[in-house]
Amino acid sequence: DQQVKQNSPSLSVQEGRISILNCDYTNSMFDYFLWYKKYPAEGPTFLISISSIKDKNEDGRFTVFLNKSAKHLSLHIVPSQPGDSAVYFCAASVLGGGADGLTFGKGTHLIIQP
Amino acid sequence: GAVVSQHPSRVICKSGTSVKIECRSLDFQATTMFWYRQFPKKSLMLMATSNEGSKATYEQGVEKDKFLINHASLTLSTLTVTSAHPEDSSFYICSARPLIGTSGGTDTQYFGPGTRLTVL
Repeated sequence: DQQVKQNSPSLSVQEGRISILNCDYTNSMFDYFLWYKKYPAEGPTFLISISSIKDKNEDGRFTVFLNKSAKHLSLHIVPSQPGDSAVYFCAASVLGGGADGLTFGKGTHLIIQP
Repeated sequence: GAVVSQHPSRVICKSGTSVKIECRSLDFQATTMFWYRQFPKKSLMLMATSNEGSKATYEQGVEKDKFLINHASLTLSTLTVTSAHPEDSSFYICSARPLIGTSGGTDTQYFGPGTRLTVL
């Protein structure tokens, strides 16, 4: 049973436009969510996170929105740049749960077209 | 800040041999480090959680005798793949969570660059 789902394996967006990556989760115990960016053969790079007590967190071009009732979060990148082309992973954990690792979605391959 | 290194980045070994992978947090201390494995075109799967000074906690289905984890200090964790077989070939990634109150907050994990293991 996949607890974190990214239903779009890939997404193509034109440079300068907004990229919206979606993520759904099923485990109601999750209360901390993170987005990572990953290039092939490299480790994930942390982008932005959000606690369940918030519904929005913004950092530069990246904004994460959390809809707790729908168990849904999204990452908005605006404006999209060619360097944003990568695989984006949504991850979730239980804050304060001691030694809990992250549960990852399968990733969405974002392709920014010139 | 919050840099995590892994060594080696690539390793090729013969079936039956053991391979050790090191994970280091370079500019912060981490009581907890995590080991993940990524199969081609798949998500990262948590293998085990490593706590400094205590035994690692393994996820269901991960053989603790095959994947030995040692967390010797607040900046170093090692994963040893014992008696490696071709099916162990994968991309292994570690992450480290800074101590509460230090950089990154309480639950942000920072990842190493990964180690590509190929078992012949």
